[in-house]
Amino acid sequence: GENVEQHPSTLSVQEGDSAVIKCTYSDSASNYFPWYKQELGKGPQLIIDIRSNVGEKKDQRIAVTLNKTAKHFSLHITETQPEDSAVYFCAASMPGGGADGLTFGKGTHLIIQP
Amino acid sequence: NAGVTQTPKFQVLKTGQSMTLQCAQDMNHNSMYWYRQDPGMGLRLIYYSASEGTTDKGEVPNGYNVSRLNKREFSLRLESAAPSQTSVYFCASRGTGGGLRQPQHFGDGTRLSIL
Repeated sequence: GENVEQHPSTLSVQEGDSAVIKCTYSDSASNYFPWYKQELGKGPQLIIDIRSNVGEKKDQRIAVTLNKTAKHFSLHITETQPEDSAVYFCAASMPGGGADGLTFGKGTHLIIQP
Repeated sequence: NAGVTQTPKFQVLKTGQSMTLQCAQDMNHNSMYWYRQDPGMGLRLIYYSASEGTTDKGEVPNGYNVSRLNKREFSLRLESAAPSQTSVYFCASRGTGGGLRQPQHFGDGTRLSIL
C-alpha cells in the first residue's frame, strides 16, 4: 500500500517568516494530495490540495508544489501569523478501486514564535 | 451548515464493554470513512463506505465493525473494547462525481478512553 513520510515533525518559525513542510509518497499511482490543518480539539480541515496533473497551486499565503518524478510534495506558508500555529498533515490517495481513503503523514507541529 | 457531526465527543469505557460511535453528514456525500488518530501516528483508516449499502476494510479494521445505516449515517462499533483502542476517532465524508476527486470533510472527533 501507499506510505507517506512527512518532515519535520516539529517546526518553529518567527512570525512573518516562511514555513516549509515536506512529504514523500511511495506509490506512483497516487494522484491526489491534500493538506490538512488540525487545531487542538478539532478535526482536520482541508487547506489546499493538488492533483497530479499540475505542479504547483497557490491560495493567498499558502502554496503546494508537487514533483511526480521524485514523488514528493511540499507545503509553503509565507508571512506566517500566530493563527497558523497548528498541526499540519499531508496525505495521498490513489484513483478509484481498492481502499478509497487517504494515507496520511504523521503530522508537523508548526509553532509560530511572536 | 453542520457538515459532519460525531457523537459522543468524549467517552470512557471499561475493557470488554461495547459501544457505537455515531456519524452523520448533511452534505449528501456518497462516501464515508472512519479513521483513528494516535499520538505520532497520523490518521489511519479503519473502514470506509464508498456508497450506501457497501463497506470495506481499511488499514486497521481489527476489533471494529461498521454499519452504513443510510446515505447520511455511518456508525463504528467496538464489540469488546480493549485498552489498545484508546484513541481519537474521526469520521469523514466525501462527494463523488464531477470528474475530479473531491476532498474529504472531517468531523471534530470522538475521544475514547478504555480503562
